[in-house]
Amino acid sequence: GESVGLHLPTLSVQEGDNSIINCAYSNSASDYFIWYKQESGKGPQFIIDIRSNMDKRQGQRVTVLLNKTVKHLSLQIAATQPGDSAVYFCAETGGGNKLTFGTGTQLKVEL
Amino acid sequence: AAGVIQSPRHLIKEKRETATLKCYPIPRHDTVYWYQQGPGQDPQFLISFYEKMQSDKGSIPDRFSAQQFSDYHSELNMSSLELGDSALYFCASSLGASLEVHNEQFFGPGTRLTVL
Repeated sequence: GESVGLHLPTLSVQEGDNSIINCAYSNSASDYFIWYKQESGKGPQFIIDIRSNMDKRQGQRVTVLLNKTVKHLSLQIAATQPGDSAVYFCAETGGGNKLTFGTGTQLKVEL
Repeated sequence: AAGVIQSPRHLIKEKRETATLKCYPIPRHDTVYWYQQGPGQDPQFLISFYEKMQSDKGSIPDRFSAQQFSDYHSELNMSSLELGDSALYFCASSLGASLEVHNEQFFGPGTRLTVL
């Protein structure tokens, strides 16, 4: 069931360090995975995606790793900047396009 | 570039009242999705429409209904509002919706609904 007032896991990193945010998914039939960034009061913003036939994909300063064996997804952010502070969600989808979001992680970048 | 537009941005209602949330997708996008996000929670899928037909349904209460119009905008109608309906409601849009193709969903800024 749902938890009310759930505290989000928090990751604190120093500016310039690399960040790694992890996500576990449950649906082995999911074939498409996305990472979203959500700033306070705003809608989720697409960061990077990966399909199930891949295990790694790189973007600008971000890398997504997919381990289907253990149903694990991670987002790596290189040289973390203050503007990266936000809540990060992984999302998955299988048949159809509705997104199932995982629990968000609050990333705090310390100067 | 044009983004997804949602209105109103903020809405305050009393219990048992009704509310209508509107979503205007990115031009040429034919698919809209509605998500509900409670405080400190992840977004939960409610319902989606493709070419004005319901394409998928999630955890949407029977008190809620939605539709997509000929201009592709969508409205989420919420009746007999309860305190627990207080949340951020996001609309997202994308091009096409099929089992084979996953197209990026672009999210709007959300409507914050507060039920007193």
